[in-house]
Amino acid sequence: DARVTQTPRDKVTEMGQEVTMRCQPILGHNTVFWYRQTMMQGLELLAYFRNRAPLDDSGMPKDRFSAEMPDATLATLKIQPSEPRDSAVYFCASGRDSSGETQYFGPGTRLLVL
Amino acid sequence: GENVEQHPSTLSVQEGDSAVIKCTYSDSASNYFPWYKQELGKGPQLIIDIRSNVGEKKDQRIAVTLNKTAKHFSLHITETQPEDSAVYFCAALYSGNTPLVFGKGTRLSVIA
Repeated sequence: DARVTQTPRDKVTEMGQEVTMRCQPILGHNTVFWYRQTMMQGLELLAYFRNRAPLDDSGMPKDRFSAEMPDATLATLKIQPSEPRDSAVYFCASGRDSSGETQYFGPGTRLLVL
Repeated sequence: GENVEQHPSTLSVQEGDSAVIKCTYSDSASNYFPWYKQELGKGPQLIIDIRSNVGEKKDQRIAVTLNKTAKHFSLHITETQPEDSAVYFCAALYSGNTPLVFGKGTRLSVIA
C-alpha cells in the first residue's frame, strides 16, 4: 500500500529556530505539492514540483520559506527563522499525472512555534 | 485564475439523513472536479471525482453532480453515518498546466 510519508509528525519549536519538514512521495510519482492548513485559511498551496523542478512557489513567503527536491524520493520544506504565525499543519502530496489531477496526501506535520 | 467557492462551511445532520455540499468555480475551462475527505488527524483523501463530460457520478452512498452551465458541482451523501463526519474539500482543475484549486472545506458532523 504505497503512501506519502512525512516527518516529523509533530514539531514544537521556539520562535527564530529553523524548521525542516521532509516528505517522501509515492515511488513513481513525478509531482509533489506542499500545502499549509490553518483553521482560517483552509488548504493553501505553498509550492509544487514536477520532475523535481519547482514550478510555482508564489504561495510561499520567500524571505523565510524554501522548498527543494534533492532527489526524486525526498522533498523538503524549510522555515528559517520560524515565527508563531507559521504554526499550522503542513501537508505534502504527490501525484503521478502530469496534469496534476489526483493528489495523494501525506499525514501532515503539525508545527507549533512558541 | 481559477477560484472555488464552497458552502456551507459547517453542516450538521442527523444520522440517516442526507448531506449536500455545494461548490462553484469561476473558470469555464475547468474540466476535472474531485472531492476529498479529511478525517481528524489525517491528510485529505480522494473519495470521488467527476469530469466535465459527465453530469453525475455515483459510488454507493456518495454522488457528485455537475452543472457546467451554472459552473457548480455538488457532493451528496445519503444515509449518513457517524463515520462520514469529517472535513470535505471540493477542487477544480483548469485544463492548463496548473494544479488543483481547493475550496475552503466543509466540516460535516453526523449526529447519532
